[in-house]
Amino acid sequence: AQSVSQHNHHVILSEAASLELGCNYSYGGTVNLFWYVQYPGQHLQLLLKYFSGDPLVKGIKGFEAEFIKSKFSFNLRKPSVQWSDTAEYFCAVNTGTASKLTFGTGTRLQVTL
Amino acid sequence: ETGVTQSPTHLIKTRGQQVTLRCSSQSGHNTVSWYQQALGQGPQFIFQYYREEENGRGNFPPRFSGLQFPNYSSELNVNALELDDSALYLCASSRQGEFYGYTFGSGTRLTVV
Repeated sequence: AQSVSQHNHHVILSEAASLELGCNYSYGGTVNLFWYVQYPGQHLQLLLKYFSGDPLVKGIKGFEAEFIKSKFSFNLRKPSVQWSDTAEYFCAVNTGTASKLTFGTGTRLQVTL
Repeated sequence: ETGVTQSPTHLIKTRGQQVTLRCSSQSGHNTVSWYQQALGQGPQFIFQYYREEENGRGNFPPRFSGLQFPNYSSELNVNALELDDSALYLCASSRQGEFYGYTFGSGTRLTVV
């Protein structure tokens, strides 16, 4: 069975700092990869997704992620974070044709002014 | 288009009781998936419903059951509640065969005392 690891549980950054959140998955076959964000008091929202093609994926709000197949990784990046990026970020993987997502445990990002 | 709506938003139940949670899927979506998100964890897949039948199940006991109705709305039923069932229960809708990610509802916070 596939699993997802997010090693950063809580990250604190100052506004304008650069962000990189790690995500590694364990599955040897074809995967679809997702990053979801959960702002305080709101529902999970899709930030970006990777299915195939260019391994550098751009999402909403200036976020991007890079799929590195050899490292089983899909790290999330943003060059300059804003206070409004304070939220919990979840990496998730989907395999094959099933529409089940396996989520990581999440990373809580706190951006200070 | 309407999003995913869940009811109730909060619920307190006593151990041993039964609970029913409800979900209306996003317009145009025909598949509903349920996830359990314990405090500090990522969402865990409970099961999925398509064409009113269970279409995949995670590692949850049979006391977790569900229904999907002809209008694609869904219910999650949990019998013989245990303290560990306390969690945020998320409903997510999608289109079968066109999985580009879920639309999530805001969840139902269940507390078992």
